[in-house]
Amino acid sequence: QVQLQESGPGLVKPSQTLSLNCTVSGGSISSGSYYWTWIRQPAGKGLEWIGRIYTHGGTDYNPSLKSRVTMSVDTSKSQFSLKLSSVTAADTAVYHCARSPVGATHFFDPWGQGTLVTVSS
Amino acid sequence: QSALTQPRSVSGSPGQSVTISCAGTSSDVGGYNYVSWYQHHPGKAPKLIIYDVTKRPSGVPDRFSGSKSGYTASLTISGLQAEDEAEYYCCSYAGSFTVFGTGTKVTVL
Repeated sequence: QVQLQESGPGLVKPSQTLSLNCTVSGGSISSGSYYWTWIRQPAGKGLEWIGRIYTHGGTDYNPSLKSRVTMSVDTSKSQFSLKLSSVTAADTAVYHCARSPVGATHFFDPWGQGTLVTVSS
Repeated sequence: QSALTQPRSVSGSPGQSVTISCAGTSSDVGGYNYVSWYQHHPGKAPKLIIYDVTKRPSGVPDRFSGSKSGYTASLTISGLQAEDEAEYYCCSYAGSFTVFGTGTKVTVL
């Protein structure tokens, strides 16, 4: 059973870069059958799709965040990563990683439990 | 791209049925049969309960069902149980982009 676990600093200063990792266990991150995705939820608000990366190349980002987002995959560590630059208080949220199948379907399963990132000086 | 519109809350007594709507546009819900629904208990990972509008993953009770008409998708929970009390989110593919709903709190009275 595939499991995803987010990790990274819980506190980031304004204007700095938020960096998170998602470790995949119980399955291969190298499979060409999946996209690896980041989703966030600000306190008291709904879910927001940040973007996705395909292990064999290619990314799609939320247009509203595209200029600040970079995603990458490290197959040797079975991890994929999120970097969000020039953060502000509006980027304070619980950040989830999730897996999405490639093909004629669209859903996220499984999800990581999420990690809270607070942007504050 | 705006979030899909869901009612803020719905409630029902145990055994009753509740339906949650998810209103979108021709660019998302109306344009693709790729609507999914997630159950989210606070502090836990969101759980997939419906995908591709009507399909149910293995292990999800058949009390949960999904449908779509035009630009609006719906999730119905039949035979409401105490453990169904949670936040529910719809989600739609929108062409190399994904949009989520605003979320609905389901309360079991």
